[in-house]
Amino acid sequence: QQQVKQSPQSLIVQKGGISIINCAYENTAFDYFPWYQQFPGKGPALLIAIRPDVSEKKEGRFTISFNKSAKQFSLHIMDSQPGDSATYFCAASGSQGNLIFGKGTKLSVKP
Amino acid sequence: KAGVTQTPRYLIKTRGQQVTLSCSPISGHRSVSWYQQTPGQGLQFLFEYFSETQRNKGNFPGRFSGRQFSNSRSEMNVSTLELGDSALYLCASSLMGQYEQYFGPGTRLTVT
Repeated sequence: QQQVKQSPQSLIVQKGGISIINCAYENTAFDYFPWYQQFPGKGPALLIAIRPDVSEKKEGRFTISFNKSAKQFSLHIMDSQPGDSATYFCAASGSQGNLIFGKGTKLSVKP
Repeated sequence: KAGVTQTPRYLIKTRGQQVTLSCSPISGHRSVSWYQQTPGQGLQFLFEYFSETQRNKGNFPGRFSGRQFSNSRSEMNVSTLELGDSALYLCASSLMGQYEQYFGPGTRLTVT
């Protein structure tokens, strides 16, 4: 019930393309769904987050789509750039506040 | 505003030793959480402190402990180190009542 499943494990996208990373959760008590971006040697950086009362949130080139009935959410990176090459983690949390993370997706954007 | 700082950044210890890691949260943030990151297990929650009290604890053995001081700075301690404790230890801080957690750069612990 505490798992967050993330796919794919790795993703290669051409510059200018759309990167899509998917996550699924089991615990219906989760009510906060963030995405983190991590570069090698750095800590995860909060990228964008969504609450279950909305189906989509957009910040610049980054969009979260949220499907409450399917218990799924996804990150879309529009016009992907080589500088977006990093590992992306989805996460979920509930009333206790601790984040449950997916296993991560290593994104490579080719010039 | 300065971000979350963690010291030291790198540490090499021998099996059986103990280690203490330090975390200074973003100014004004009173909640501090610790996570362990390994290639195999990913990011896993260790514990959370708020106002010097442990509010939540993950599924780790008692060798892992922590504390928080009145200035919100936090330390975590690992006793009787094992090879499997080699990991990146991350600290995250958040404002009271807010979901957003902001991570520090981590402490890379290597146990030999």
